[in-house]
Amino acid sequence: EAGVTQSPTHLIKTRGQQATLRCSPISGHTSVYWYQQALGLGLQFLLWYDEGEERNRGNFPPRFSGRQFPNYSSELNVNALELEDSALYLCASSLKTPRSGGELFFGEGSRLTVL
Amino acid sequence: AQSVSQHNHHVILSEAASLELGCNYSYGGTVNLFWYVQYPGQHLQLLLKYFSGDPLVKGIKGFEAEFIKSKFSFNLRKPSVQWSDTAEYFCAVNAPDSWGKLQFGAGTQVVVTP
Repeated sequence: EAGVTQSPTHLIKTRGQQATLRCSPISGHTSVYWYQQALGLGLQFLLWYDEGEERNRGNFPPRFSGRQFPNYSSELNVNALELEDSALYLCASSLKTPRSGGELFFGEGSRLTVL
Repeated sequence: AQSVSQHNHHVILSEAASLELGCNYSYGGTVNLFWYVQYPGQHLQLLLKYFSGDPLVKGIKGFEAEFIKSKFSFNLRKPSVQWSDTAEYFCAVNAPDSWGKLQFGAGTQVVVTP
């Protein structure tokens, strides 16, 4: 069974540009989550999508946005890139059932470097 | 607001030593608790989880964790580490009434020397 897949693996942009990151969840999972893993800051929750809707959002500015498509894949958009946006962006998916208890399955991440 | 605290940012120990990583959370209700591990160059993987029942949970690769509700703690242990346990370990907490916002601790970098 394929795991969570993310693309691109690496992305280099300059300040002010836009970045788009993509994620395909595990088959059967309807929830997709985005986390930012910046050096020394651990994992910071960005966004949660389920059934095509944004369900929850972390403490990030509006220039971080995303969407979930009918096939449950998702993309994360970061507008007006700033140097501090350089980080590993992790996508995760889960079943949205009480039995799953919120267990997340992670992809390998997309490394965004802003110059 | 929920928060998750991991007591150590870096731990260095020798093979065969015992490992214990502390994790405390600040949430008064029912929680689901997780330990994730990130080996060098690999993605985050689930090590073990606690939902309910026996507070001593066994995970993969010889790891176990104990949930102590009165102390809001979920400490991770391994009696004898191996070089291959070198990784970053993350504690995470999910409260059912804030589904979808799994809160992670800052992580503990564990280095096991041969």
